[in-house]
Amino acid sequence: SQQGEEDPQALSIQEGENATMNCSYKTSINNLQWYRQNSGRGLVHLILIRSNEREKHSGRLRVTLDTSKKSSSLLITASRAADTASYFCATGDDKIIFGKGTRLHILP
Amino acid sequence: EAQVTQNPRYLITVTGKKLTVTCSQNMNHEYMSWYRQDPGLGLRQIYYSMNVEVTDKGDVPEGYKVSRKEKRNFPLILESPSPNQTSLYFCASSLRTSGRTNTQYFGPGTRLTVL
Repeated sequence: SQQGEEDPQALSIQEGENATMNCSYKTSINNLQWYRQNSGRGLVHLILIRSNEREKHSGRLRVTLDTSKKSSSLLITASRAADTASYFCATGDDKIIFGKGTRLHILP
Repeated sequence: EAQVTQNPRYLITVTGKKLTVTCSQNMNHEYMSWYRQDPGLGLRQIYYSMNVEVTDKGDVPEGYKVSRKEKRNFPLILESPSPNQTSLYFCASSLRTSGRTNTQYFGPGTRLTVL
């Protein structure tokens, strides 16, 4: 049972542009996390946002959470070639559900 | 260095031959988990453990076993592997505070092929 669903499935943008990915989920949550995965490698944690938070920043990353709409967005500003990766949202404290991910490709 | 290690990293085996994939973390994390990743399906949780001797099923536990006898280790056991268990497997660990799981740290992955 997939809880988080990312949108779009794939995204290609020019280097320097901003990239926005969305995540929707179905049930109430305590927190939502975003992870990055470079091809075939382990996932790297980006940001955790709690249910009582609306926005969180980390460097060029900005995450928003709208619990009324059961959705979250990840914004990467001023994208770089190194941002090319798959991005996943995940919800849950014990039983954790990952979305299927957004494949982001930064064009030179 | 804080890390999650998995062994082996690559494994090709045959149907029915029991195997174990080891996972170890050196961060004293209470929570550990196993996932499998398949094309188009994202990551799906197999089993998780909230502490020593406490394990529970994730979304896709069929065909797998786990044990948590020590805090640092969480092996994944395939008693009788089948071709549909060919996948990329990840182990992860996390600190728990106030009963909540926090950031998960992932191992490098184990690519398993069952012929």
